[in-house]
Amino acid sequence: QKEVEQDPGPLSVPEGAIVSLNCTYSNSAFQYFMWYRQYSRKGPELLMYTYSSGNKEDGRFTAQVDKSSKYISLFIRDSQPSDSATYLCAMSSPAGNNRKLIWGLGTSLAVNP
Amino acid sequence: DVKVTQSSRYLVKRTGEKVFLECVQDMDHENMFWYRQDPGLGLRLIYFSYDVKMKEKGDIPEGYSVSREKKERFSLILESASTNQTSMYLCASSFGQGRYSNQPQHFGDGTRLSIL
Repeated sequence: QKEVEQDPGPLSVPEGAIVSLNCTYSNSAFQYFMWYRQYSRKGPELLMYTYSSGNKEDGRFTAQVDKSSKYISLFIRDSQPSDSATYLCAMSSPAGNNRKLIWGLGTSLAVNP
Repeated sequence: DVKVTQSSRYLVKRTGEKVFLECVQDMDHENMFWYRQDPGLGLRLIYFSYDVKMKEKGDIPEGYSVSREKKERFSLILESASTNQTSMYLCASSFGQGRYSNQPQHFGDGTRLSIL
């Protein structure tokens, strides 16, 4: 079993929909959680960075962490065609080699006009 | 804004060649990373460096080496390129040492390397 699981999709939604992207993980020591967006032929771009549990909101994006269920989510409100990309989750723990991130494989999202 | 610059967007090399990929960051970050990204396998860490002249192996270091002579520059070297090293290579950097090192990584736009 991988440490981080992420449904690869593809996920296709109409413009304006609310999108929910999710990752599950197995290591209860993870405390730092990140979401990245990657457009085709570009590098990943940091969208959200959260520590421990709870919600964080930035514009149309909300990141949610549920440590009891070992589950993180990224919600996109009022989705736009420009949100079409692959979304990657990443996480790390304070212990051990905490520079290393553990990555999901990414979910491909298409927002249709 | 953090800027991570990779020297080439596309590169074509031949089997057996020694290949150098260069990466420069402008944010005075302590940590720098090299990944490769392949369909179905995701991002895999090759090597990282937490200080000048310091390096640590990642998950797939075989066939690669790295060099960090200056804080802002991190080079990936393919000692003798092989076709299974055809991939997208991504460089990243992050702030922090010790217990402050759980900072997010910032990426360049990648080098798409083809080995013929």
